[in-house]
Amino acid sequence: AQKVTQAQTEISVVEKEDVTLDCVYETRDTTYYLFWYKQPPSGELVFLIRRNSFDEQNEISGRYSWNFQKSTSSFNFTITASQVVDSAVYFCALSDLADSNSGYALNFGKGTSLLVTP
Amino acid sequence: DSGVTQTPKHLITATGQRVTLRCSPRSGDLSVYWYQQSLDQGLQFLIQYYNGEERAKGNILERFSAQQFPDLHSELNLSSLELGDSALYFCASSPPGVGEAYNEQFFGPGTRLTVL
Repeated sequence: AQKVTQAQTEISVVEKEDVTLDCVYETRDTTYYLFWYKQPPSGELVFLIRRNSFDEQNEISGRYSWNFQKSTSSFNFTITASQVVDSAVYFCALSDLADSNSGYALNFGKGTSLLVTP
Repeated sequence: DSGVTQTPKHLITATGQRVTLRCSPRSGDLSVYWYQQSLDQGLQFLIQYYNGEERAKGNILERFSAQQFPDLHSELNLSSLELGDSALYFCASSPPGVGEAYNEQFFGPGTRLTVL
C-alpha cells in the first residue's frame, strides 16, 4: 500500500505565483519523520526539510514553507512567488518503523512535477 | 555537492549481463542506502548497510546484491540484467549518532543504467 500520496502529478504556474504541493501520508507509528526532496532536471536529489512527528510547528525558509498537520496526516509544501529555477520534481517521503524489514528507509511519494514559466 | 560520490555516472549494457555500481559515502557517515528510480515504480528503497553489516532490506530482487567494505564504500551488484532494470540508481549516506533516523540522508548524483 502506498504510504505517501502526492495526488498532484503535474502543476504548471506562471512566475511569481504561489503554489502548494500536497502530501498525505499513512503510518501506524507514533514516531516518524517526514521529508521533502527536490529533483531538478539535472537529476540529483536535494534535501529540503525534515520534520519529526512530535513537532507540528510550521516552518518557513525564505520563499519555502511547510504545513504539517497530524490531524489530516498531511505535510504540504508551499513556494511563494515562484521562480523559473523552482521547476523540478518534488518528492515527499516518510520514514517510520512500520515495516521492520525496511528500518528507517525513506518511502517516497510518486512526486509532483512543477513547471514555472516566465 | 552532497559529498556522496557514485560511479559510473552512466552505464549501458545488454540483457543478461552483470554490472557493479559503486558508492562512497560522506566522510564520517556509516550508513549507506541504495534506491532505484524507475518510471514504473518511482523511487524505491533497495537495501541499507551500516558499518559493514546489512541493516534493512526493501524491494530488492534476488538478482541484486550489495555489500559495504571496511573503508565504508558500498557496491551494488546487478546480475542477469533485464530491460526493466533500466533505471537511475541512487546511493545515500547518513551519519551515526543518537536516533539514527533523525538524520537526513544525503544523496549521491546517481548512476543511470540502460539495459539494451
